[in-house]
Amino acid sequence: KNQVEQSPQSLIILEGKNCTLQCNYTVSPFSNLRWYKQDTGRGPVSLTIMTFSENTKSNGRYTATLDADTKQSSLHITASQLSDSASYICVVSPISNFGNEKLTFGTGTRLTIIP
Amino acid sequence: DVKVTQSSRYLVKRTGEKVFLECVQDMDHENMFWYRQDPGLGLRLIYFSYDVKMKEKGDIPEGYSVSREKKERFSLILESASTNQTSMYLCASSLGVGSPTDTQYFGPGTRLTVL
Repeated sequence: KNQVEQSPQSLIILEGKNCTLQCNYTVSPFSNLRWYKQDTGRGPVSLTIMTFSENTKSNGRYTATLDADTKQSSLHITASQLSDSASYICVVSPISNFGNEKLTFGTGTRLTIIP
Repeated sequence: DVKVTQSSRYLVKRTGEKVFLECVQDMDHENMFWYRQDPGLGLRLIYFSYDVKMKEKGDIPEGYSVSREKKERFSLILESASTNQTSMYLCASSLGVGSPTDTQYFGPGTRLTVL
């Protein structure tokens, strides 16, 4: 069964500090991995997408890395801001007949930034 | 910017009622999706549609049906609501080009409570 596991479940850090969120997956064969940010009470918003051939992708203060051999990804947030408080969801797409429709979602890491 | 809208942010219904959740996207996307999100479980796919009048079952279709009469609109129907369908419902759409980097854009969600 395809699975995506994220750690930690929750994290609290001081504003201005860096943090790293982890994602391990068992999806195979693998097409791409995405990180989404979900603010409380809102829908998820895409941060990064990496195909199996990419090792790293940045979006401002967010940097995602991918190791397809060990099936691990991380999301690094630099110089955190209060607006970074959200859930961060790792999403993996297997190769399927329909393309990317059948995604496997992690349960997310709840990040809280305190002033 | 892609805009996905959902008809209600909050909805309270009684057991046995028929419930309609509406989703509209304004970017001429081919694919549309309905998910439910429950604490500790991540997003789970209920149904998706890759064309008008076309639909495919996701991972948890039981108790739900869908309708896509127009390209921009995708409706989720609970024929007879039950308390275990209390959840956050998220609609998404994607271009549907079959590219590994095709992104799903999410609506704000509808929090449904069935009493």
